[in-house]
Amino acid sequence: DVKVTQSSRYLVKRTGEKVFLECVQDMDHENMFWYRQDPGLGLRLIYFSYDVKMKEKGDIPEGYSVSREKKERFSLILESASTNQTSMYLCATEGGWSLVKQYFGPGTRLTVT
Amino acid sequence: LAKTTQPISMDSYEGQEVNITCSHNNIATNDYITWYQQFPSQGPRFIIQGYKTKVTNEVASLFIPADRKSSTLSLPRVSLSDTAVYYCLVGDISTGNQFYFGTGTSLTVIP
Repeated sequence: DVKVTQSSRYLVKRTGEKVFLECVQDMDHENMFWYRQDPGLGLRLIYFSYDVKMKEKGDIPEGYSVSREKKERFSLILESASTNQTSMYLCATEGGWSLVKQYFGPGTRLTVT
Repeated sequence: LAKTTQPISMDSYEGQEVNITCSHNNIATNDYITWYQQFPSQGPRFIIQGYKTKVTNEVASLFIPADRKSSTLSLPRVSLSDTAVYYCLVGDISTGNQFYFGTGTSLTVIP
C-alpha cells in the first residue's frame, strides 16, 4: 500500500510566522499535490509538482509556496501565516498511468491565531 | 477547467442502492472521471475511475453516458459505514488541466 505521511496532525501558529508543512511518500510517485479543505468549499488545489524541482500553481496559490528537492518529499510553505489560512491541509501523491488516482495523507489541521 | 456539480447531500436507508450523479458539461477529451470517498478526519480515498460506458469493482459501479457530460456512482446495498462525503473529479494532468474536487455529496445512511 502507498503510504503518505504528513509531518503534523495538528499545528497552531501565530499570525506572521513562517510555516512549513511536510509531506513524504514511499512509493516513488512522480506527482504530488497540496490541497486545503474548508467547510462548504470542498478541496481546493494549492500547488502540485510533477517532478523534482518542478511545480505548478493550482487554483489558490496566493500566500503559499512549495518546495520539492527530493522525489519523496513535497513541502508547503506559508511565508507569513494569516488567520484566513486556518484550514485542513491535505497532501496527495499519484504515479499511475492514468494520472488521476491520488493517494492522500491524513491531513494537517492548521490553526493560525 | 472541467468543473463538476453534485448534490450537496443525500440520505438513504441501509440496504438500499444509492446513486449519486455528477455533472461535468465541460469535460475534455482526455479527461478521466474519478470518484473519491472521504470519512471525517481522514483524507479522501479512491473508489473508482472510468472514461466511458460502465466500470465496476468490488466497491461500486460507475455509469458514464456516451456524451460523458455526467456520470453516476452507484453504491449497492449501502451500510452505515458508507456514510461519508463522495467527490466526483474530472481531469488529466498530462494536458495541464487542473483537478477540481468541488464540495462533494454528503451521504448519510440511516439505520
